[in-house]
Amino acid sequence: DTGVSQDPRHKITKRGQNVTFRCDPISEHNRLYWYRQTLGQGPEFLTYFQNEAQLEKSRLLSDRFSAERPKGSFSTLEIQRTEQGDSAMYLCASSSTGGQFFGPGTRLTVL
Amino acid sequence: EDQVTQSPEALRLQEGESSSLNCSYTVSGLRGLFWYRQDPGKGPEFLFTLYSAGEEKEKERLKATLTKKESFLHITAPKPEDSATYLCAVQATDNFNKFYFGSGTKLNVKP
Repeated sequence: DTGVSQDPRHKITKRGQNVTFRCDPISEHNRLYWYRQTLGQGPEFLTYFQNEAQLEKSRLLSDRFSAERPKGSFSTLEIQRTEQGDSAMYLCASSSTGGQFFGPGTRLTVL
Repeated sequence: EDQVTQSPEALRLQEGESSSLNCSYTVSGLRGLFWYRQDPGKGPEFLFTLYSAGEEKEKERLKATLTKKESFLHITAPKPEDSATYLCAVQATDNFNKFYFGSGTKLNVKP
């Protein structure tokens, strides 16, 4: 399968714990995006990488959130000291030009 | 502020009953408008990219059109398998790094 993959698909954690998600983009895509989506809403932009450089970060992204893309390949999104409001679907997408191709998402539940 | 509004929020059609979904946008300058389909619990699936007013794209029973202020997704003779949430997103000329999504239209096609 040459699509975008995300791991894990589901994560249940307790409030205050740290979590890390991984995204493997389509191999030839140099652009990678992270989004958060809650029920009934469209994806909300979190951050953007071009190769290994993080070029854009949403003002909504608190300092508890950090993302990396070492070597311009896979990316990780870490949430520290999780809160119940962080419960959502976290989506990764990649592109070369034009439209984005999304992964299946990681559903996070914070108890 | 850049904004994307989709209407209606939900649409119920009988199989074979054609209709249109609307996506209106306010951005300083449009670089591209994108349509996606999202099934429950999955990531969005890329459908179309439109770049300029008057442009049209087709795929099976779907046809997307673009004007200076809005886009329409026309569904001709829909089938139950077309049931999904349809999302639109815009990319502005003053910031290529971000995509703004609407909240989607949830389409339900009854047999």
